[in-house]
Amino acid sequence: QSALTQPPSASGSPGQSVTISCTGTSSDVGGYNYVSWYQQHPGKAPKLLIYEVNKRPSGVPDRFSGSKSGNTASLTISGLQAEDEADYYCYSYAGSNKFYVFGTGTKVTVL
Amino acid sequence: EVQLVESGGGLVQPGGSLRLSCAASGLTFSTYWMHWVRQAPGKGLVWVSRIKINGGITDYADSVKGRFTISRDNAQNTLYLQMNSLRAEDTAVYYCATSGSHRLDDWGQGTLVTVSP
Repeated sequence: QSALTQPPSASGSPGQSVTISCTGTSSDVGGYNYVSWYQQHPGKAPKLLIYEVNKRPSGVPDRFSGSKSGNTASLTISGLQAEDEADYYCYSYAGSNKFYVFGTGTKVTVL
Repeated sequence: EVQLVESGGGLVQPGGSLRLSCAASGLTFSTYWMHWVRQAPGKGLVWVSRIKINGGITDYADSVKGRFTISRDNAQNTLYLQMNSLRAEDTAVYYCATSGSHRLDDWGQGTLVTVSP
C-alpha cells in the first residue's frame, strides 16, 4: 500500500490561507468520496478535521475545508491561527484489497 | 465523552509477541467498527487493521498480515491486537480508533511498542 503524496511542508502568516494537496490514484482518492483529514500536534493523537471529502465534524471550525478533483484531494485552512501549527494527514479508503491508506503528512508552520 | 485507552506496549525482542488492548468508554462499543493505526518514531501514520462490529470481518495491511490478529470483546468494551513475530520495523506508537463510514472519529492516546534486542 503506497502512501498518498503530500507536500512535506507548508506555511503562512496569521490570517492567511494554506492549501495542502493529497495525491493518490483512481484506486483510492479518485475512486471514492471517502477522503478524510487529520490534525496532529506533537506528542498528541490525531484529530479528525474533515471526512467524506468536505464534511466537518461538529466542533471543527469552518476555517477548515476540503475538496477533491480527480485523484487529488485538498485541505484549505483559512484565517491561519497559531494553534493550527501541526502535522496534517489525508486518509482514503482504497477498496476491498488495499483497504485504507494515509498521506505522507504535511507540517504546517505559522510564520 | 468517548475515551479510548490503549495499554500493553513495551520493549520486546525481535521474534517476540505482544498483545495490545484498547479499553473503550463513553460509547456503545458494540456498534462501531474499530481500527488500529501505528506511527513509527518521527514518521507518518500507517493503517494497520480493522474489525467489524461483531468481529465477523477482519482486515490487515500487507505488512502485518499473518503476524497480527485483531479481535474484540464487546462485553468488556475492549479491542485487542495480538502481535507475533515482531520485527524492528514494527516499532511504533499504536493507536486504536473508532470508525464511522471509512473515517477515524475518536482516537486513543497511543501505546509505544519497541522491538529491539
